Amino acid sequence: DAGVIQSPRHEVTEMGQEVTLRCKPISGHDYLFWYRQTMMRGLELLIYFNNNVPIDDSGMPEDRFSAKMPNASFSTLKIQPSEPRDSAVYFCASSGRVRGRAFFGPGTRLTVL
Amino acid sequence: GESVGLHLPTLSVQEGDNSIINCAYSNSASDYFIWYKQESGKGPQFIIDIRSNMDKRQGQRVTVLLNKTVKHLSLQIAATQPGDSAVYFCAETSNSGYALNFGKGTSLLVTP
Repeated sequence: DAGVIQSPRHEVTEMGQEVTLRCKPISGHDYLFWYRQTMMRGLELLIYFNNNVPIDDSGMPEDRFSAKMPNASFSTLKIQPSEPRDSAVYFCASSGRVRGRAFFGPGTRLTVL
Repeated sequence: GESVGLHLPTLSVQEGDNSIINCAYSNSASDYFIWYKQESGKGPQFIIDIRSNMDKRQGQRVTVLLNKTVKHLSLQIAATQPGDSAVYFCAETSNSGYALNFGKGTSLLVTP
């Protein structure tokens, strides 16, 4: 298995632009998570899905952030419009039925200028 | 203005020594605890977990200890190797949930 796949690996954009981050979870995993990592705040859970349904989006910072999971093999995290404070590494992770054993992707490093 | 970054606690150990990384949690409802390792430029990787009805669990070269009385968790790494250099996070979940809440992390540096 290739593991969790994220794209792009790096994204540099200007303030006000729309950013879309993509994730392909491990096949057969029921849960998908989006995390954000910064030096200031560490690893924060943004949203997670179970069987493609959003379960908890309380970590999504603002209405500028949205996430979708149209099918079991694909999810997107969109930021519109982006701001410099959104600069961070965004991780997607997936897990099966075993609690806590999430497999993380390599992350997308986002820089908003 | 200049932003102040989060300064991770750092543990420096010599190769071959044992390492102990500590973590405190605050949620009394936490019932499942996990340690993750994050190497530079990579995503966190699962190491070992423990349920709240246990106080010790051993893996290969790693042991996790849980003290629910004082809400403390530790990760012990035996015979630390250079490849163990990374940031280590404890995480918890509660109420049979699947979403993980991560601690701030500890940076482990293994010197030859």
